[in-house]
Amino acid sequence: QSVLTQPPSASGTPGQRVTISCSGSSSNIGSNYVYWYQQLPGTAPKLLIYRNNQRPSGVPDRFSGSKSGTSASLAISGLRSEDEGDYYCAAWDDSLSGVLFGGGTKLTVL
Amino acid sequence: QVQLVESGGGVVQPGRSLRLSCAASGFTFSSYAMHWVRQAPGKGLEWVAGISYDGSNQYYAGSVRGRFTISRDKSKNTLYLQMNSLRAEDTALYYCAKDGHSGSLHGYFDYWGQGTLVTVSS
Repeated sequence: QSVLTQPPSASGTPGQRVTISCSGSSSNIGSNYVYWYQQLPGTAPKLLIYRNNQRPSGVPDRFSGSKSGTSASLAISGLRSEDEGDYYCAAWDDSLSGVLFGGGTKLTVL
Repeated sequence: QVQLVESGGGVVQPGRSLRLSCAASGFTFSSYAMHWVRQAPGKGLEWVAGISYDGSNQYYAGSVRGRFTISRDKSKNTLYLQMNSLRAEDTALYYCAKDGHSGSLHGYFDYWGQGTLVTVSS
């Protein structure tokens, strides 16, 4: 069981805005940056958001991240069929001295 | 361009050992921390281990601490994962990943390899 909690699934229609939540604790999200990764079917994960809300070059501005207290969220606006895949949040945990991943959210574009 | 190429996976019996390698190119290997992340079939991502840019510090997930050892060879631009006392639950695709910030270990991954599959089965 992951210490970072994500909903197992999310869905939306093309053009819609969807959000994916990630809940943690004071030892991880509450005191460290949150990162988001996208894993499209059959591919390696890709960094989507770093340091809570920064986008690596090449990531469209349709993707945005935010953090408040011990929770974070990923928002995807203008949903597209190619966004369908799995999304993971992650953060360093000070108690464990290691990286924690959320359990992942499977995004379906209807 | 950054390239990470894993090798060394295969089928191994429970209790045996295996060593994974990750050949890195396209960046200054000795300036970045490196990590191993695994994904069991049909499951989510699990961070396994990380090593500082100079190899002086190693960090492990509780599930592998004492059984796995992460190391690096700057002369070969290669990252390793020595896996001992393997268990069925270690069966996974193992990814090599580059830390996203130079210098100290920051614990996020801006480049990933394609993974090497480890199957632990009798």
